[in-house]
Amino acid sequence: DVKVTQSSRYLVKRTGEKVFLECVQDMDHENMFWYRQDPGLGLRLIYFSYDVKMKEKGDIPEGYSVSREKKERFSLILESASTNQTSMYLCASSSGQGVGYTFGSGTRLTVV
Amino acid sequence: KNEVEQSPQNLTAQEGEFITINCSYSVGISALHWLQQHPGGGIVSLFMLSSGKKKHGRLIATINIQEKHSSLHITASHPRDSAVYICAGLRGANTPLVFGKGTRLSVIA
Repeated sequence: DVKVTQSSRYLVKRTGEKVFLECVQDMDHENMFWYRQDPGLGLRLIYFSYDVKMKEKGDIPEGYSVSREKKERFSLILESASTNQTSMYLCASSSGQGVGYTFGSGTRLTVV
Repeated sequence: KNEVEQSPQNLTAQEGEFITINCSYSVGISALHWLQQHPGGGIVSLFMLSSGKKKHGRLIATINIQEKHSSLHITASHPRDSAVYICAGLRGANTPLVFGKGTRLSVIA
């Protein structure tokens, strides 16, 4: 069964901490994406990557960075967590043609 | 104007009813995805369409390229169909999806 795996389902971090969210896919997909989902705002794209070491800013990249050193792994980094980054974070992957879009089960991050 | 517009925002139906959710999209969208998210659950891709019609069980998705419109139909709806349904457009290769705001469906027994 093909999957996108996110390292944590729930995470609680303190303001100012550096936070790493990990995402791994086993489908050999070219594209990987990080979204956050907030009530009333829907899904918003933070960053995406269409190849190893390549990254593109999405709609809300401020306060975040990403790393893609291997094709299967895409990491989201919160450099200094703030309370307004409390959210559900979803990773997804797809082929280069947008086929086989698969989402991870999400990480609910709470920053206190 | 958003590139992908969905309607209705909220929908309540009785079990067994035929349900339609609509999605309009702008020029530049080459394919449409329909996604499903159950309460507290992850997001699942139901269909990807660039033309015609696709069917999976009680779910049917259609797309009209000339009118830039897609519909998701659910036949013989059931309470387990209660979820948020999201229409998302793809502009082209190696680009992210553009999401509609979603339709929250509640099916009452």
